[in-house]
Amino acid sequence: AAGVIQSPRHLIKEKRETATLKCYPIPRHDTVYWYQQGPGQDPQFLISFYEKMQSDKGSIPDRFSAQQFSDYHSELNMSSLELGDSALYFCASSLGSGGSSYEQYFGPGTRLTVT
Amino acid sequence: QKEVEQDPGPLSVPEGAIVSLNCTYSNSAFQYFMWYRQYSRKGPELLMYTYSSGNKEDGRFTAQVDKSSKYISLFIRDSQPSDSATYLCAIYMGRRALTFGSGTRLQVQP
Repeated sequence: AAGVIQSPRHLIKEKRETATLKCYPIPRHDTVYWYQQGPGQDPQFLISFYEKMQSDKGSIPDRFSAQQFSDYHSELNMSSLELGDSALYFCASSLGSGGSSYEQYFGPGTRLTVT
Repeated sequence: QKEVEQDPGPLSVPEGAIVSLNCTYSNSAFQYFMWYRQYSRKGPELLMYTYSSGNKEDGRFTAQVDKSSKYISLFIRDSQPSDSATYLCAIYMGRRALTFGSGTRLQVQP
């Protein structure tokens, strides 16, 4: 079965640079979620989109923005990167019931390292 | 205080043992209770979810929810070395994202 696809899998950036992470949800899934997982920590919710509209917002820094496109893929844009942004970034998708669902399926993650 | 508290482990058991993983939560409005398994450097994998108090079984895995005491458990029978991973409980309240526990690292020794 098709799973959530994330690219790139690994990314190394320097401080103050920008990064763009991409997420391709499971086919027919219309809701995308972004989570950040620091070393040894649980995933923290950043933001979610349903039908190309932001549906919920968590602890996403103002330096970050995201959007969902007409083909339901999503991009997380990160600017003015800081050392503390180094983490695993997961995308999850679901077949939303109005923008959110308990049955979320996670991608393999993008490991971002900021030097 | 976190909304979801999870025994941190790590937990090391011999192959074939019964494993018990536990979480407590504070918000009685939570509706769905999930268990995810996460292998090192991989994304969380949805194992099981349940809605009501009681037990739900799937093969060697049993999820248990006690809403009166706000306590959830995952039992693994006949544990295998391939079960070695971090197990995350996650809780869902309608129209919100998942709230995760901090994860319990499990090591099953052959």
